[in-house]
Amino acid sequence: GNSVTQMEGPVTLSEEAFLTINCTYTATGYPSLFWYVQYPGEGLQLLLKATKADDKGSNKGFEATYRKETTSFHLEKGSVQVSDSAVYFCALSEQNQGGKLIFGQGTELSVKP
Amino acid sequence: DTEVTQTPKHLVMGMTNKKSLKCEQHMGHRAMYWYKQKAKKPPELMFVYSYEKLSINESVPSRFSPECPNSSLLNLHLHALQPEDSALYLCASRDDRSPNEKLFFGSGTQLSVL
Repeated sequence: GNSVTQMEGPVTLSEEAFLTINCTYTATGYPSLFWYVQYPGEGLQLLLKATKADDKGSNKGFEATYRKETTSFHLEKGSVQVSDSAVYFCALSEQNQGGKLIFGQGTELSVKP
Repeated sequence: DTEVTQTPKHLVMGMTNKKSLKCEQHMGHRAMYWYKQKAKKPPELMFVYSYEKLSINESVPSRFSPECPNSSLLNLHLHALQPEDSALYLCASRDDRSPNEKLFFGSGTQLSVL
């Protein structure tokens, strides 16, 4: 079946450090890939998405590239801020599955000043 | 309006109580979802409604009863819950006219069952 695997957290970084959160997936078809972010006490917000191979999603300084050859969608940011502290979820959605999202386990990021 | 509104934000209930969670969106989305999320875990899909009809039930116990009275509203009726049902319950909606459209999530109802 389809699945998403994320690197374990928590990840603790100093402000302005470089961030990478690894995400790999298993899917039978051609999924769309997403990164969602959840700030404390809130629901999930879409951070970025990519719908086909070699697409790059980007938003608020975060980027991720859909790599079909390595079945990966790693999240990167060049310089993190304290306000980026949150839990990050990688997810996939297959077509004709009613928008059902399959989530990774989530990676908690803590950025220290 | 690009919001999904959930009420109440917090709910404490006993195991014999009956309560309801409410969700509302005015984006014209015809797909609506209920997810359950335990602390520091990913959301787990419970139900999907498409055009006010239940399309997916992920083998959820019958003590959870969803209802979609119209295209803007989604309810989750709770009865005889167990302490292990304590969690954050998230509602989401999606514009299903495009297969790749994102889900919009509400802020959730934090439920505690005593």
